[in-house]
This record gives sequence, C-alpha cells and structure tokens, in this order.
Amino acid sequence: DQQVKQNSPSLSVQEGRISILNCDYTNSMFDYFLWYKKYPAEGPTFLISISSIKDKNEDGRFTVFLNKSAKHLSLHIVPSQPGDSAVYFCAALAIQGAQKLVFGQGTRLTINP
Amino acid sequence: ETGVTQTPRHLVMGMTNKKSLKCEQHLGHNAMYWYKQSAKKPLELMFVYNFKEQTENNSVPSRFSPECPNSSHLFLHLHTLQPEDSALYLCASSQDRRGLETQYFGPGTRLLVL
Repeated sequence: DQQVKQNSPSLSVQEGRISILNCDYTNSMFDYFLWYKKYPAEGPTFLISISSIKDKNEDGRFTVFLNKSAKHLSLHIVPSQPGDSAVYFCAALAIQGAQKLVFGQGTRLTINP
Repeated sequence: ETGVTQTPRHLVMGMTNKKSLKCEQHLGHNAMYWYKQSAKKPLELMFVYNFKEQTENNSVPSRFSPECPNSSHLFLHLHTLQPEDSALYLCASSQDRRGLETQYFGPGTRLLVL
C-alpha cells in the first residue's frame, strides 16, 4: 500500500511559466512533508519542507502548499528555469512515530526553453 | 559535492557472487541510511544506523547485510541476490536520527543482478 503518491510520472512546462507538482498521502499521522530534487547520476537533494501546522512555506521561487483535509500537497516553482529539469520526490513522515521518511515515486519535470 | 560518496557507482553481479557497496560521509554526521530505488517505485528505506548502532531494519531479506564500523562508513554486503534486487542503492546521512529533513544523499550505486 503506497502511502505517498505522485500520480504524474512526468510534467513538461515552458520556461518562465509556473510548474506545479502534486503529491497525495493516505496516512493521517504524517505531520512533516519534504520535497527532494534529483538530477541524473546524483542523489536526491533536499529542496523545501512544510510542517502540518502550516499551509504554506515559501523559499525563493519554490512554494509548498499543504491541504491537510485533502491530504494533498503541491510544489510550485515560478518562474520555471531550465535548471529545474529534474525528478522531484515528495516525502512524508510522522514526527511522533517511527520518523521514517516515506517517498513518492517521483515526477520528472522538464522545462522547455 | 554533497559530502557523501558511494562506490562503486555501477555493479553487475551474478546470483552466486558476493559483493559489497561502500558509503562514506565527510560531514561529521551520526546517522546513516541505506535506501533502495527500483524502477518506477518510490525510494524504500532499508536500514538505519545511529551512532554506529542499527536502529531500523525494514524487513530486508538477509541476503542484504549492512555494516557500520564507524560513523563515517557504511557498507552493504550482498550475497546470493536475485534479479529483482537490481536497483539503485542510495546511501544518506544526517546529523542525527531526528534530522530527517537534512538527509544528504550519495550518488547511488546502480546494481544489476544477472
């Protein structure tokens, strides 16, 4: 049973436009969410996170939104740049529980010039 | 440069072979992790070491055997693997077990089992 799902395996966006990556989760115990970015031949790198006490966290061009009632989070990148082309992983954990990061399958984002 | 290195980067082995994956971190972290990423599947946590002690084993088959001789090195010993074990194996480290948002990943070892 997959507790964290990224239903879009790929996404293509024009440079300068907004990229929106989506993630859904099923475990209501999750209270901390993270996005990782992965380039080919490299390990994932931490991008941005959000706690369940917030519904939005912003860091430069990256904003993560959390909708707890819908068990849904999204990552917005604006404006999108060619260097943003990568695989993006959503991850979740329950801070009071096992604290095990549970990852989604990833979404491959391609930014077209 | 993330400070976490993994060797080898690619490995092809037969089902009767014994091999080891190595991970080294130069970040002064106390927690280290092994993850497996199979094609079209999420990253799966395999093992966690905190201060050289194994704190988590997520029902990983015994043909995978981790070893953490010190807080800078982590090994994954492989023997009698199956073709379905072919995957990308990622090592990560963090300051301690609670610093999950600051896990630093190595580049991974891509393993092919024939």
